[in-house]
Amino acid sequence: KAGVTQTPRYLIKTRGQQVTLSCSPISGHRSVSWYQQTPGQGLQFLFEYFSETQRNKGNFPGRFSGRQFSNSRSEMNVSTLELGDSALYLCASSLTTSGRETQYFGPGTRLLVL
Amino acid sequence: SQQGEEDPQALSIQEGENATMNCSYKTSINNLQWYRQNSGRGLVHLILIRSNEREKHSGRLRVTLDTSKKSSSLLITASRAADTASYFCATDYVAGNKLTFGGGTRVLVKP
Repeated sequence: KAGVTQTPRYLIKTRGQQVTLSCSPISGHRSVSWYQQTPGQGLQFLFEYFSETQRNKGNFPGRFSGRQFSNSRSEMNVSTLELGDSALYLCASSLTTSGRETQYFGPGTRLLVL
Repeated sequence: SQQGEEDPQALSIQEGENATMNCSYKTSINNLQWYRQNSGRGLVHLILIRSNEREKHSGRLRVTLDTSKKSSSLLITASRAADTASYFCATDYVAGNKLTFGGGTRVLVKP
């Protein structure tokens, strides 16, 4: 089975712009979770989608949003980018619930906001 | 915060030595997982240990869980240069519905 894929792998944006990141889970996996990783804050949970519904959300402002499509592929969007949004964004997929079982991570999208 | 804490934050050892890192957490868990991350890449799952288990092995990895002390340890035996990475514990809290990651332990294995 192909692993979790994320596109793009690298992205440079300027403050105020918006960005959309994409994640394709492992075939058959219905749960997709997103994380932000920074040197200062570590790995922080953004949100989880399951069967096209947001099931759980972390403590991030409304500028961070996401969605999941019927084929389980997921996108996350960050609007009005700030310098502090520079981070590695990781998505992970699992068969059902994100916490109850192994999560399979993609390689991440490294976002740099200038 | 319910985030788990790992110690040490960094560890430097010689190839062939064992590496041990610990993870402490705050409240009751369903399971605890260990992941490895190589230099800014995605995380790779290593082991999942459930709250009713005390020890699990996978190759050169040994994980223990002590729910009375709310702590877990990861032991890498006979380390190799390729084990150089950051190691994270992640807890599935009973009261929560997502994985909560610790700050990680950076391991450097010198050849």
